[in-house]
Amino acid sequence: EPEVTQTPSHQVTQMGQEVILRCVPISNHLYFYWYRQILGQKVEFLVSFYNNEISEKSEIFDDQFSVERPDGSNFTLKIRSTKLEDSAMYFCASSEGSVNTEAFFGQGTRLTVV
Amino acid sequence: AQTVTQSQPEMSVQEAETVTLSCTYDTSENNYYLFWYKQPPSRQMILVIRQEAYKQQNATENRFSVNFQKAAKSFSLKISDSQLGDTAMYFCAFMNLNQAGTALIFGKGTTLSVSS
Repeated sequence: EPEVTQTPSHQVTQMGQEVILRCVPISNHLYFYWYRQILGQKVEFLVSFYNNEISEKSEIFDDQFSVERPDGSNFTLKIRSTKLEDSAMYFCASSEGSVNTEAFFGQGTRLTVV
Repeated sequence: AQTVTQSQPEMSVQEAETVTLSCTYDTSENNYYLFWYKQPPSRQMILVIRQEAYKQQNATENRFSVNFQKAAKSFSLKISDSQLGDTAMYFCAFMNLNQAGTALIFGKGTTLSVSS
């Protein structure tokens, strides 16, 4: 069964460092998403991406965040200068984007900023 | 703006019993989907069930069913014959279908514990 894969499963980084979280969406999907979940809290939408550009983003997705689809298969989330409060579980998701759509989630990357 | 509210932070149930998780939402849209996602300790997000707003019939998936009350903007999840593997956090989520590929809006979640 096709699935969304995320790497790494756990990343530890020092405050102020850049980090790139990687995702491989399901191959025939057209819409890609990043969500985050601070420990014990709700899942929050960050950004959606379609046709090689951002289609929607939340207030959380400020200038320190960026997304890219560098090679037609990977979908990355970059955090330029990490802060302690960026520590969270980051979920990638993808969907076909049609009306009858379902978002498939990856297993998440746990980011710990120290 | 749409909001999703889950008023039960924690619920517990005995194995084989039935439990209902509550969810209410607020929207001015007419064309939307509602979802329940399960997040077990592995932290993966797994789709449990989906309801199209234009359908009056409540969705069912094996032991999982919903009570969708569109006028009341209520979308509860009923789990019948609860199993230990149902122990997880459950998130209610909303998607506006008037914009293709739009984001899911999640509630804060309900932690369900199933005991033997």
